[in-house]
Amino acid sequence: DVKVTQSSRYLVKRTGEKVFLECVQDMDHENMFWYRQDPGLGLRLIYFSYDVKMKEKGDIPEGYSVSREKKERFSLILESASTNQTSMYLCASLGVTGELFFGEGSRLTVL
Amino acid sequence: KQEVTQIPAALSVPEGENLVLNCSFTDSAIYNLQWFRQDPGKGLTSLLLIQSSQREQTSGRLNASLDKSSGRSTLYIAASQPGDSATYLCAARTGANNLFFGTGTRLTVIP
Repeated sequence: DVKVTQSSRYLVKRTGEKVFLECVQDMDHENMFWYRQDPGLGLRLIYFSYDVKMKEKGDIPEGYSVSREKKERFSLILESASTNQTSMYLCASLGVTGELFFGEGSRLTVL
Repeated sequence: KQEVTQIPAALSVPEGENLVLNCSFTDSAIYNLQWFRQDPGKGLTSLLLIQSSQREQTSGRLNASLDKSSGRSTLYIAASQPGDSATYLCAARTGANNLFFGTGTRLTVIP
């Protein structure tokens, strides 16, 4: 089975802190994604990566950056966390058949 | 731009009942359609993937159908159980990195 692992399930940070959200997949997938999910707004794409060191902005990239140094790992970075970045963050990996696999999610609270 | 709609937003049924969840999309030029389940506070779990050339897919008590010409997909759940209670989302893919999510149907199965 495909495994997408998000290292932190729950985080509490203070405004202005730098936040790293890590995601690892074990199926050698090329495409990986970061979404955020908010009540009433659904899932929104922040960034995606289609290969090592390659990245593309999604619908809401402002305030975020990403890093893909190795194929299996895709990191989301909040350079200076703000309260409006309190959300559920979901990492996903795309299989060769077009099936998307998600991690368990990271619930971030920014105080 | 593709729009994906799921109606109803919430549904309650007694245990044992068969039920159908609906998903509509505006652009029939899709690569595939995927159904997910999401439990509270968790990530999305892939249930079924239907490629654009397919009409239906089955897994256990779940059956998903796809009618591209009418822009509709349905998820049929047979003999519902309390453990089926969750939010069900559909997502239509129009490109490698273009995936459009519905807002979900929250299902409650009453024992």
